Order: sequence, then C-alpha cells, then structure tokens
Amino acid sequence: AQKITQTQPGMFVQEKEAVTLDCTYDTSDQSYGLFWYKQPSSGEMIFLIYQGSYDEQNATEGRYSLNFQKARKSANLVISASQLGDSAMYFCAMREGYNFNKFYFGSGTKLNVKP
Amino acid sequence: GAGVSQSPSNKVTEKGKDVELRCDPISGHTALYWYRQSLGQGLEFLIYFQGNSAPDKSGLPSDRFSAERTGGSVSTLTIQRTQQEDSAVYLCASSFVGSSYNEQFFGPGTRLTVL
Repeated sequence: AQKITQTQPGMFVQEKEAVTLDCTYDTSDQSYGLFWYKQPSSGEMIFLIYQGSYDEQNATEGRYSLNFQKARKSANLVISASQLGDSAMYFCAMREGYNFNKFYFGSGTKLNVKP
Repeated sequence: GAGVSQSPSNKVTEKGKDVELRCDPISGHTALYWYRQSLGQGLEFLIYFQGNSAPDKSGLPSDRFSAERTGGSVSTLTIQRTQQEDSAVYLCASSFVGSSYNEQFFGPGTRLTVL
C-alpha cells in the first residue's frame, strides 16, 4: 500500500481564493510527523508546514494551514488567499515513528493559480 | 550561504560512463538523505546517513549506485555504468535530528541526463 497518497495530479485555483490539496497517509505507528513541501519550477524543495501526530491543534503557518483528521488519516493542506507565486508542485510527506530515515513522499499535486 | 549545496547543477553524460554527484549539507546537520526525482514524479528515497551509524542503503536501485559521506559532512553519490533510465534530478537533503520537526532542508538538485 502507498504510504502517502495525493489524488489530485493537478489543480487550478483563482487568485485570492482558498484551495485545499488532499493528502492521505498509511501508518500503524502512533508517533509520526506530516510535512508539506512546495517545489516551484526552479526545482528547490521548500518546507511549508509540519503536523505531529500528537498535536491536538491543526498547524498553521501564515497562509498555510494543515487540516489534520487523524481518524481518517488525512492531512490536507489549505492555502488561503492564493497568489500567483503559489503556482508550484506540492508534496505531502510523512516521517514514521522515530526512524528519521523513513520519510515517504507522495506523488505531488501541481497547483496553477489563475489571475 | 548556509543552505544545502549540490554540484554540478547539470550533468550530461554518455551511457556507460560513471558520474559523481556531490552534496554539502548544512553545517551541524547530522542526517543526510539522497533522493531521485524523475520528470513529473515524486521523490524516491535512495540512501540515508546519520552520524557515524551505518547508512540505510535500502533505496538504492542497483549495485551501480553507491554513496559515501566523509567526515560526517560532504557526501558523494556515484553511479557507475550509467543507463538512460538513470536520467533524473538527484536531490540531497540534510536535517538536524533532534530538532522540533526534523524537517529536511533540500539542495537545488543535480539534473543528470544520460544520452
């Protein structure tokens, strides 16, 4: 089974609107961490936001928030007030347990922000 | 700059040749990862180094691939007898194990093209 599933290969959003990028994960560990990264066309990977499995509140970082639904094993990224510069690939990732070598990445979602 | 650096940024080689890709992690980061990203795809884990521990080589696709990390810092990924299917972007990341998130900081990648 896939550890990280991103079901939206591509998405469009109008500038200034909010958008949700889906991510589901699969683990039997109680302790794990969830990450979102942004990859612009330049190729660099930029860390956006982190959610720990024991965190009771959803993580937020500026315009980014993570909608963490533990029972459903989902960790959707919400981008509010989209900007043209948000156009990029977005990857969801998971670190399992305390094995820092065990990072799993999804296949990514290509977000296009329309003016 | 204090980020992860990789060299070369681009490498074009002929099938059958050997190549070496270099990664300079962030100073003080004990963990170092290599990933491969094929065009339009997610990240494929290759190898992980942590301190003086034996590396996790479980992601290396074949025995043509090897990596070493000297002095706990710089790492070199070597691909012997390159094949066309080795063409991809090779990303290096480092992290400080023990930080709050253990998020990975990525380098800009090396784009390898095997003709």
